[in-house]
Amino acid sequence: TQLLEQSPQFLSIQEGENLTVYCNSSSVFSSLQWYRQEPGEGPVLLVTVVTGGEVKKLKRLTFQFGDARKDSSLHITAAQPGDTGLYLCAGGGTYKYIFGTGTRLKVLA
Amino acid sequence: DAGVIQSPRHEVTEMGQEVTLRCKPISGHNSLFWYRQTMMRGLELLIYFNNNVPIDDSGMPEDRFSAKMPNASFSTLKIQPSEPRDSAVYFCASRGDRAGYTFGSGTRLTVV
Repeated sequence: TQLLEQSPQFLSIQEGENLTVYCNSSSVFSSLQWYRQEPGEGPVLLVTVVTGGEVKKLKRLTFQFGDARKDSSLHITAAQPGDTGLYLCAGGGTYKYIFGTGTRLKVLA
Repeated sequence: DAGVIQSPRHEVTEMGQEVTLRCKPISGHNSLFWYRQTMMRGLELLIYFNNNVPIDDSGMPEDRFSAKMPNASFSTLKIQPSEPRDSAVYFCASRGDRAGYTFGSGTRLTVV
């Protein structure tokens, strides 16, 4: 069974701070995605990474796929209250993705 | 495009009753997925369809759950009979080729 463990599970920080969220597995994935979910809504896709070692930037968010394609990280620079939400990684193959356990982030103004 | 549309948004039902959740995927997306989300277990894949055909239903918890996709624009997830432990948020998502999922807003199901 493929499992994706995310850490930390919960994170509460002040506006302006930096943070990193981790997504780890013992399985190799052909691609990995990150989603953000706000209360009462479904997850929204942020990025897809497909190549080992790949780094993608989306404004203040930096995503990295591990060289062995088993792990990934999400780094947020100068967090803002609008970044608050549940961050989910998802490892995938041809048809389906398995979602991680999630990191619940709260950014305080 | 209106995105993935799910109905109802909220459903409260009594134990033993039949519950039907509905989903309209994004036009042109050829894969459809049903997920269940709880605090304890996170997002669990229940079943997914490719070109209206069920490909993997190994995540369906038991025979009380069934899903259909009669055409490319409509899918249902049915629970009969419902039990309190089925209480969760149920998401439908669709996906085109080489794309990420687009999720609906979910149906919050409460079985009392």
